[in-house]
Amino acid sequence: DAGVIQSPRHEVTEMGQEVTLRCKPISGHDYLFWYRQTMMRGLELLIYFNNNVPIDDSGMPEDRFSAKMPNASFSTLKIQPSEPRDSAVYFCASSLEQVVMNTEAFFGQGTRLTVV
Amino acid sequence: KNQVEQSPQSLIILEGKNCTLQCNYTVSPFSNLRWYKQDTGRGPVSLTIMTFSENTKSNGRYTATLDADTKQSSLHITASQLSDSASYICVVNYYTDKLIFGTGTRLQVFP
Repeated sequence: DAGVIQSPRHEVTEMGQEVTLRCKPISGHDYLFWYRQTMMRGLELLIYFNNNVPIDDSGMPEDRFSAKMPNASFSTLKIQPSEPRDSAVYFCASSLEQVVMNTEAFFGQGTRLTVV
Repeated sequence: KNQVEQSPQSLIILEGKNCTLQCNYTVSPFSNLRWYKQDTGRGPVSLTIMTFSENTKSNGRYTATLDADTKQSSLHITASQLSDSASYICVVNYYTDKLIFGTGTRLQVFP
């Protein structure tokens, strides 16, 4: 398997524009996570899905952020409208089981978002 | 408040030397603790996963220890290599599916 695949790797956009980040989890993994990484706050969970259903979105910072998982092999994270403070690296991760079962979470390469 | 704190923030060592990174956590309830390695521009990669009943776990030159009573963990790197230059992140599993990440220790290994 190619691992978790994210696109694009880099995104530069102007404030106010809509941004869509994409993720393809590892085949067969039932859990998908979206994280945001900044220098100040490190990695923070935004939302996670189990079998395509959003389970916990308490980490989504504002209504400007939304995430979907229309099928087991694809998820999107959308920011509309984008703001400069959204600039960060966004990671997608997937796991076979719940992380409480000591299962490994595999991360994608991340999307570096810059909002100017 | 559930927190994971790591020290030092950054570390410089010479190739071939050993080093130890520290992690203190206040997360409760605690399920497991992980150490990840993150190369610049890449996603984190798991090194070890330990449950509260495990005291030590090794992965090659990496050895993690855990003291669940004092809520401390350490990652020891033996005979460091240039490729060990990366950020090392301590992660604690909180409840079922939440992972709380430390801000990491940035390690630089020089020849």
